[in-house]
Amino acid sequence: SAVISQKPSRDICQRGTSLTIQCQVDSQVTMMFWYRQQPGQSLTLIATANQGSEATYESGFVIDKFPISRPNLTFSTLTVSNMSPEDSSIYLCSVEPGHPYGYTFGSGTRLTVV
Amino acid sequence: QKEVEQDPGPLSVPEGAIVSLNCTYSNSAFQYFMWYRQYSRKGPELLMYTYSSGNKEDGRFTAQVDKSSKYISLFIRDSQPSDSATYLCAMSARDSSYKLIFGSGTRLLVRP
Repeated sequence: SAVISQKPSRDICQRGTSLTIQCQVDSQVTMMFWYRQQPGQSLTLIATANQGSEATYESGFVIDKFPISRPNLTFSTLTVSNMSPEDSSIYLCSVEPGHPYGYTFGSGTRLTVV
Repeated sequence: QKEVEQDPGPLSVPEGAIVSLNCTYSNSAFQYFMWYRQYSRKGPELLMYTYSSGNKEDGRFTAQVDKSSKYISLFIRDSQPSDSATYLCAMSARDSSYKLIFGSGTRLLVRP
């Protein structure tokens, strides 16, 4: 299965600032996914990122708040913009290795906004 | 009503016990069913996946899917303290582009 490196692993940020999270995969993948896991909550899909096209956002998530880049088949970034304490969560990237199951996750970025 | 319901626990059992973790769901279109294990401060790790109904066994882990009841289970035999983690069920359907829908996770504590 794919190995995902995600960084930073954690950060504490001031409200109103932005943070960019990086996700590097050790193999080429078509689709990359960004999830949010709020404290005590399940994982919620933010958006799907395909190389060469605009990311597709889920209901409740917008590009201005969570811009995503996907410059090649092994890398993606998620930016959390104009942060507020409500954005404090774990953010995870995931890849789908060519099957409709078996998604692999990065170790996550634990974000605290103060 | 959530698409996937999972008891959050925590579930505390003695070492060696058989653990039963469960999820119910409402969308009959779900075809693929997964169980993930998540240790503290780590990303989810895929444990088991099954397609449609039936059982699947892998070592100490057995996954069961009952589509008629919209109910899935994960059994852990001879539980170990190292099994202490949060267990997340997830499922997907072809008609929703295989988007994963997760349960809220069950915290499991295996006491030595």
